[in-house]
Amino acid sequence: GNSVTQMEGPVTLSEEAFLTINCTYTATGYPSLFWYVQYPGEGLQLLLKATKADDKGSNKGFEATYRKETTSFHLEKGSVQVSDSAVYFCALSNAGNNRKLIWGLGTSLAVNP
Amino acid sequence: NAGVTQTPKFRVLKTGQSMTLLCAQDMNHEYMYWYRQDPGMGLRLIHYSVGEGTTAKGEVPDGYNVSRLKKQNFLLGLESAAPSQTSVYFCASSYPGSGYEQFFGPGTRLTVL
Repeated sequence: GNSVTQMEGPVTLSEEAFLTINCTYTATGYPSLFWYVQYPGEGLQLLLKATKADDKGSNKGFEATYRKETTSFHLEKGSVQVSDSAVYFCALSNAGNNRKLIWGLGTSLAVNP
Repeated sequence: NAGVTQTPKFRVLKTGQSMTLLCAQDMNHEYMYWYRQDPGMGLRLIHYSVGEGTTAKGEVPDGYNVSRLKKQNFLLGLESAAPSQTSVYFCASSYPGSGYEQFFGPGTRLTVL
C-alpha cells in the first residue's frame, strides 16, 4: 500500500543553519508528492509540490526533488529563519487512492535566534 | 475568495452532548475532507466526500457522521461526544487536476469534558 515516512522531530536549529527533513515513500505507480507547513495555531498550507520524477518543487527558499530511484522527497533550505519554526508534513497522492492524501506524521522545527 | 472556512473556531462540550462542525468552501471544489489532528499522530482522515450527496469513511470514522447536501458545505457531526474526541479538526478541499493538492481551513479546537 501507500505510505509516507518522515524523520522524527523535534528538530532544533540556529538561525542561518542548513535544514534537511527526510521523507521517503512507498507507492505504486506515479504519485504526486507534497510538503505542507503548519505554523503555530494555524491550518496547513501547501509549501511545495512535485508531480513527476526529477521535478523540483520550490517556494520561500525551500526545495525538494522527487527522486523515484530512492523513493524520496527530502525538504531542504539553505539558511533557516526564526519565522520558519513550524511543523512540516510530507504527503503523497496517488490516482488509485480515491483522491486522498497519505500523510507523514509531521516534523516539528524550532529555529533559535 | 475566503477559501475554506470552519465554524466554530473553539468549542467546549460535556460528555454526551452533540454538535455539528461546519466547513464551507467558495472555490467550487469537488472533494472535501475532515481530519483530526492529535499530538504525535499527525493528521487522520475521518470522512471525505468526492461530490455533492456522497460521503465515505476514512481511517477513524467511528463516533462521527457527515453530510454533503450542498457542494460548498461539508458538515461533521458528533452525536454523543466523548473525551477521546478532544482534538483539533481540520477541513480541506481539492479538485480534479490539482494533483489532489488540498486546501485547508483554519481548524476547530474541540474539548470534551
